[in-house]
Amino acid sequence: EAQVTQNPRYLITVTGKKLTVTCSQNMNHEYMSWYRQDPGLGLRQIYYSMNVEATDKGDVPEGYKVSRKEKRNFPLILESPSPNQTSLYFCASKGENTEAFFGQGTRLTVV
Amino acid sequence: SQKIEQNSEALNIQEGKTATLTCNYTNYSPAYLQWYRQDPGRGPVFLLLIRENEKEKRKERLKVTFDTTLKQSLFHITASQPADSATYLCARRYGGATNKLIFGTGTLLAVQP
Repeated sequence: EAQVTQNPRYLITVTGKKLTVTCSQNMNHEYMSWYRQDPGLGLRQIYYSMNVEATDKGDVPEGYKVSRKEKRNFPLILESPSPNQTSLYFCASKGENTEAFFGQGTRLTVV
Repeated sequence: SQKIEQNSEALNIQEGKTATLTCNYTNYSPAYLQWYRQDPGRGPVFLLLIRENEKEKRKERLKVTFDTTLKQSLFHITASQPADSATYLCARRYGGATNKLIFGTGTLLAVQP
């Protein structure tokens, strides 16, 4: 079954404690992306990757890092989380001229 | 810049009626537009893709149109049901990059029984 898997689904952490949200896809897609979704603001792209070792900033990259060492994985790293990064996060992958497949989402709370 | 605009106000309709959601885009026409459904707290799920050279696309009770003159796509759900209640997102391809998508903020549809 084609899927994008994110972990964890829910996370509560404290300000400044580094965390990683993992994302994995099984469709051999080259393109992967991270979004955050906040009420009234829709999906905003954080970072995207066109292929292995090729990442680029989206619309709201500040405070985030990503890496793409293998095609299937695209982790999102928050080196020093702050309360304004409390949000619902989605990972997505996409093939050439196809639809995007989204993960189940990660609800992050930073206190 | 390329943007996607959707009506941010919720759309409330009665069960059995046709729901019509609007997506407007700026700049040049994208090669295609996509529509997704999103339930609360869950990831968007793809519904339909319509290409620039297609006027209309149908899938069961869903219909999408693409008007390059108006720079607009309409998404219709006929014989709507309470189970159709969700947020519907429109997305366009970004520039010449075949894989990057930009999304509208979505329109919340509420179908009353």
